[in-house]
Amino acid sequence: EAQVTQNPRYLITVTGKKLTVTCSQNMNHEYMSWYRQDPGLGLRQIYYSMNVEVTDKGDVPEGYKVSRKEKRNFPLILESPSPNQTSLYFCASRKPGTGDTYEQYFGPGTRLTVT
Amino acid sequence: AQTVTQSQPEMSVQEAETVTLSCTYDTSESDYYLFWYKQPPSRQMILVIRQEAYKQQNATENRFSVNFQKAAKSFSLKISDSQLGDAAMYFCAYRTSGSGTYKYIFGTGTRLKVLA
Repeated sequence: EAQVTQNPRYLITVTGKKLTVTCSQNMNHEYMSWYRQDPGLGLRQIYYSMNVEVTDKGDVPEGYKVSRKEKRNFPLILESPSPNQTSLYFCASRKPGTGDTYEQYFGPGTRLTVT
Repeated sequence: AQTVTQSQPEMSVQEAETVTLSCTYDTSESDYYLFWYKQPPSRQMILVIRQEAYKQQNATENRFSVNFQKAAKSFSLKISDSQLGDAAMYFCAYRTSGSGTYKYIFGTGTRLKVLA
């Protein structure tokens, strides 16, 4: 089954404690992206990657790091989480192209709470 | 920079009736894609419908259709014969048409309630 998986699905942590949210896709997609969703703000793009070792900032990259060492994985790293990073996080992937079959697949989401 | 605006935070519709969700956007690009995504209580993001800006014909997917007005930069979603399962948060989104980028801009969402 084609899917994007994220782990963990739920996480409660404390300010300053480094954490990593993993994202993996089994569709051999070149493109991957991270979003955060906040009430009243919709989804905002944090980082995206268009290939291994190629990453770009989205609209809200501050406080986050990413890496793309393998095509299937795109972890999101919060080196010193703060309460304003409490949010619902989505990973997504797609293959390059412009047709109907080139739209993004989303993971199930990770609910992060930073106290 | 592109922007997407959804001015209706919440809408209600009676079961079996029709409802229209509004979305406006701003861009200087001539070619792009617009989308409506549905997010039910499960939080899963589901693509509802997709419109390519160069196509004049409005996209339709079963009970879902769009009214795409390129000059007005408007992209509304019409849901016909509303069902209880249509209750969800709906997001309008924009993507540039270039294949060398993966940038999406989302609106703030409209929560749709379906009344039995």
